[in-house]
Amino acid sequence: SQTIHQWPATLVQPVGSPLSLECTVEGTSNPNLYWYRQAAGRGLQLLFYSVGIGQISSEVPQNLSASRPQDRQFILSSKKLLLSDSGFYLCAWSHPGPRQPQHFGDGTRLSIL
Amino acid sequence: ILNVEQSPQSLHVQEGDSTNFTCSFPSSNFYALHWYRWETAKSPEALFVMTLNGDEKKKGRISATLNTKEGYSYLYIKGSQPEDSATYLCVMNRDDKIIFGKGTRLHILP
Repeated sequence: SQTIHQWPATLVQPVGSPLSLECTVEGTSNPNLYWYRQAAGRGLQLLFYSVGIGQISSEVPQNLSASRPQDRQFILSSKKLLLSDSGFYLCAWSHPGPRQPQHFGDGTRLSIL
Repeated sequence: ILNVEQSPQSLHVQEGDSTNFTCSFPSSNFYALHWYRWETAKSPEALFVMTLNGDEKKKGRISATLNTKEGYSYLYIKGSQPEDSATYLCVMNRDDKIIFGKGTRLHILP
């Protein structure tokens, strides 16, 4: 069966520090991969999605970037965190296609001080 | 503007009662409509995916309907139980966009 791992579960970082959140998927190949953020009091917002290695689509301009160095690895990064980057970050995977449900990781609670 | 609207935002229901809530979405260029259940301290879990106008899906006490012409979906819960307490997310696929609603937060009262 397929599993998705996301770490760390919680992270406290100072403003201006770098960020790296990692997400890996097991048990499937060539998945679509997604990064979402939920800011306080808001719904889930799609940040990035990827349909293959090295293929990243960004949904909103921001201080973050994403990379997919391997088929089942998706990394969310920042060179310098802002206060507004605080939130709950979720990684998800799906089989290709808009009719496929997404399967989410456990999330990372990021607090910027 | 692409918006998926869910109502109500929050709902308190007595255990044993049935309830329903709404997701409305732009009806043009529709691909699929997903419902997810998001329990506190867990990750969202897929409930249903619907693609055709008139689709109805059922999973135990939970069911959903889809009207793509008028752009709405209803989620129904029959005989609410404490374990139904969660946020229910509606998600639309439109063209190559994935749009989440803000969710309906359901509280089941003992």
